[in-house]
Amino acid sequence: QKEVEQNSGPLSVPEGAIASLNCTYSDRGSQSFFWYRQYSGKSPELIMSIYSNGDKEDGRFTAQLNKASQYVSLLIRDSQPSDSATYLCAVPQTGANNLFFGTGTRLTVIP
Amino acid sequence: KAGVTQTPRYLIKTRGQQVTLSCSPISGHRSVSWYQQTPGQGLQFLFEYFSETQRNKGNFPGRFSGRQFSNSRSEMNVSTLELGDSALYLCASTPRGGAETQYFGPGTRLLVL
Repeated sequence: QKEVEQNSGPLSVPEGAIASLNCTYSDRGSQSFFWYRQYSGKSPELIMSIYSNGDKEDGRFTAQLNKASQYVSLLIRDSQPSDSATYLCAVPQTGANNLFFGTGTRLTVIP
Repeated sequence: KAGVTQTPRYLIKTRGQQVTLSCSPISGHRSVSWYQQTPGQGLQFLFEYFSETQRNKGNFPGRFSGRQFSNSRSEMNVSTLELGDSALYLCASTPRGGAETQYFGPGTRLLVL
């Protein structure tokens, strides 16, 4: 089982809709979780981090964490065409200093 | 504060050659990690350096190596290049490493012919 799994998509939503991106992880000891956004031809950039069960909101983005289910999600409200990108979920390797990344979900927001 | 820089941005090599990529972290950041990104495998961790010491290594063959200098700049080297080494190589820096935000450089795109 891979450390981090994501639905690779692609996911298409109309402008103004809610985009829902999901990620599961295998290490129950994971304490922190990150969502990165990567535009085509660019490097990943952090958009959200979450450490506690529940929701964390930042503008139009909400990260949701359920440690019991080993599940983390990212909701993008009022999706904009500029949100079209690949979204990567990442968790740190326990006891080490690197991140495990999912393969990413490609999101397209249709105007 | 300047971001992470990587040189060169693009490289074309042939099988069997070797290549050296360079990464300069954000000023004050002491940890540098390297990742390989391919369409099929996604982002995969290569190794991490902190204060000139390799602290962690991913599951890559010994042809992949790296080092870090006293000013925290890092280089990675790939010897005896194979076609499958064609990828985007990204480095990321953090102040201390660990479960912290990783700031990525623009990457070096390597094409092996």
